[in-house]
Amino acid sequence: DQQVKQNSPSLSVQEGRISILNCDYTNSMFDYFLWYKKYPAEGPTFLISISSIKDKNEDGRFTVFLNKSAKHLSLHIVPSQPGDSAVYFCAASEGNTGKLIFGQGTTLQVKP
Amino acid sequence: DAGVIQSPRHEVTEMGQEVTLRCKPISGHNSLFWYRQTMMRGLELLIYFNNNVPIDDSGMPEDRFSAKMPNASFSTLKIQPSEPRDSAVYFCASSRVGLNQPQHFGDGTRLSIL
Repeated sequence: DQQVKQNSPSLSVQEGRISILNCDYTNSMFDYFLWYKKYPAEGPTFLISISSIKDKNEDGRFTVFLNKSAKHLSLHIVPSQPGDSAVYFCAASEGNTGKLIFGQGTTLQVKP
Repeated sequence: DAGVIQSPRHEVTEMGQEVTLRCKPISGHNSLFWYRQTMMRGLELLIYFNNNVPIDDSGMPEDRFSAKMPNASFSTLKIQPSEPRDSAVYFCASSRVGLNQPQHFGDGTRLSIL
């Protein structure tokens, strides 16, 4: 029973264009959502987060959108750069538990 | 600033041996998490501590797995005896205690049990 799902295993985008990574969740009690980026042989690196009281959070080239009614969030990267090529994980947590539930990840390739 | 430090980075050992993985969290972080990543199950939480106290160990797969946090700057995850199906990448993460605190990960220990 996967509570956090990333249905696209991979995504390929041209440099300079927008990358959109999607994530769906099933648990309506989740109230904090995060995106992590992971390079091979390294740990996940925190990118950006959003709490359920917001529907958008922006940090430089990265924007996360949250649609609570659809139980859907997305990460927009614009403009995409070759260095953005990595595996992206979305994660969710409930209340103050500190427990993160991760999606399976989406591999992003940004082509020069 | 030093991030989360894990050791060893790689461990290869034979089935039945005891394995100990180590983690030093970021200074000032009072929550510590142990995760396991496999192809089949992805990233899954094993156990986490707040202020050195284990809060939830429901993700620990079997009694062969145990974790300790004797002080705020050190934690261990032990597998005894180890089995080939324990082969995975084990990550440690830390965060500040409180609402909506992002977790910061170490670079993991790649464990291979032969």
